[in-house]
Amino acid sequence: KAGVTQTPRYLIKTRGQQVTLSCSPISGHRSVSWYQQTPGQGLQFLFEYFSETQRNKGNFPGRFSGRQFSNSRSEMNVSTLELGDSALYLCASSLVVGANTGELFFGEGSRLTVL
Amino acid sequence: TQLLEQSPQFLSIQEGENLTVYCNSSSVFSSLQWYRQEPGEGPVLLVTVVTGGEVKKLKRLTFQFGDARKDSSLHITAAQPGDTGLYLCAGAGGGSSASKIIFGSGTRLSIRP
Repeated sequence: KAGVTQTPRYLIKTRGQQVTLSCSPISGHRSVSWYQQTPGQGLQFLFEYFSETQRNKGNFPGRFSGRQFSNSRSEMNVSTLELGDSALYLCASSLVVGANTGELFFGEGSRLTVL
Repeated sequence: TQLLEQSPQFLSIQEGENLTVYCNSSSVFSSLQWYRQEPGEGPVLLVTVVTGGEVKKLKRLTFQFGDARKDSSLHITAAQPGDTGLYLCAGAGGGSSASKIIFGSGTRLSIRP
């Protein structure tokens, strides 16, 4: 069974630009959640989607947004990039929302560098 | 606010040694996961523990969930260079949202050949 696929793996942007990251969950998984990982802050929850609906949102500014499509694929967008947005963005999928057991299956991440 | 504290933050040991990593909280979790993350990759789920006092073994790795379901430990026997990575614990408080999953800050493990 194919795992979670994230694209692109690496990207470099400049301040003020915007970026879109894509995530294809494991086949059959309907829940997708996004995390930002930085050395200083660890893994921080961005948002969670289930059946094309945003179920929860973390404590991030409105520049961070996302959506989920009918095939469960998800995208997240960051507008007006700031230097502090440089991070590894991780997507995780699960069968149901939060998977009750807490088990998440992560992609390899998209490494964003903002110059 | 629920917090998961991991200790130690960094650990560098010689190949063949044993080690234990701890994950502690004042909150009760319905389940707890351990993940390993290698540089530039996403976390990979190692194990889930759900019952207080539960012990699970994965080859040389032994995971234990505390009786009160507030803490957990990961013990590695005869560490090998392939065990190098960032170990994350994550506690699920029940309910149905990934936003309720609390991640520890991680233990960065380095095994020297």
